[in-house]
Amino acid sequence: DQQVKQNSPSLSVQEGRISILNCDYTNSMFDYFLWYKKYPAEGPTFLISISSIKDKNEDGRFTVFLNKSAKHLSLHIVPSQPGDSAVYFCAASVTDSNYQLIWGAGTKLIIKP
Amino acid sequence: EAGVAQSPRYKIIEKRQSVAFWCNPISGHATLYWYQQILGQGPKLLIQFQNNGVVDDSQLPKDRFSAERLKGVDSTLKIQPAKLEDSAVYLCASSLRMTSGGGEQFFGPGTRLTVL
Repeated sequence: DQQVKQNSPSLSVQEGRISILNCDYTNSMFDYFLWYKKYPAEGPTFLISISSIKDKNEDGRFTVFLNKSAKHLSLHIVPSQPGDSAVYFCAASVTDSNYQLIWGAGTKLIIKP
Repeated sequence: EAGVAQSPRYKIIEKRQSVAFWCNPISGHATLYWYQQILGQGPKLLIQFQNNGVVDDSQLPKDRFSAERLKGVDSTLKIQPAKLEDSAVYLCASSLRMTSGGGEQFFGPGTRLTVL
């Protein structure tokens, strides 16, 4: 049973435009969500997070939106740059769960010049 | 600040052989995680340590996998004997503390295991 789903295996976006990566979850107990970015042959690196008490968190070009009623979150990258080409993972956790992360399968983002 | 170190980076073995992976977390990080990432999937937690104690190993196949974290620093993950389905990238991560809301995990580069 996949509790965190990233339904788009890949996404291609023109450089300078907006990239929108989506993530859905089924467990209503999740209260903290994170996005990680992964380059080939490297481990994932933390990008941005959001607590369930918020509906938006922004950090430079990256913004994460959370829609609790729809159990949906999205990552917006504006403007997209070639260095953003990577695999993006959505992860979720429940507070007081030993900080265990449940991960989606990832979306490969390709930024076209 | 040095990141999470892992070795080896790549390993190819025959099925039924044994293999061990090593991880050195970021200095001062009390929590250490081992993940298995199969191609096309997200990381799956195998075991989580807090200092040198096991917090959760519910998804560790204990008939063949074992892990230890002596002295609360370095950790080793062992597979004995390996099966074809163990082919994956094994990721080690560490975090300063064991709480969400600020304890994001820092990952090593991983060990890519191929079982033939």
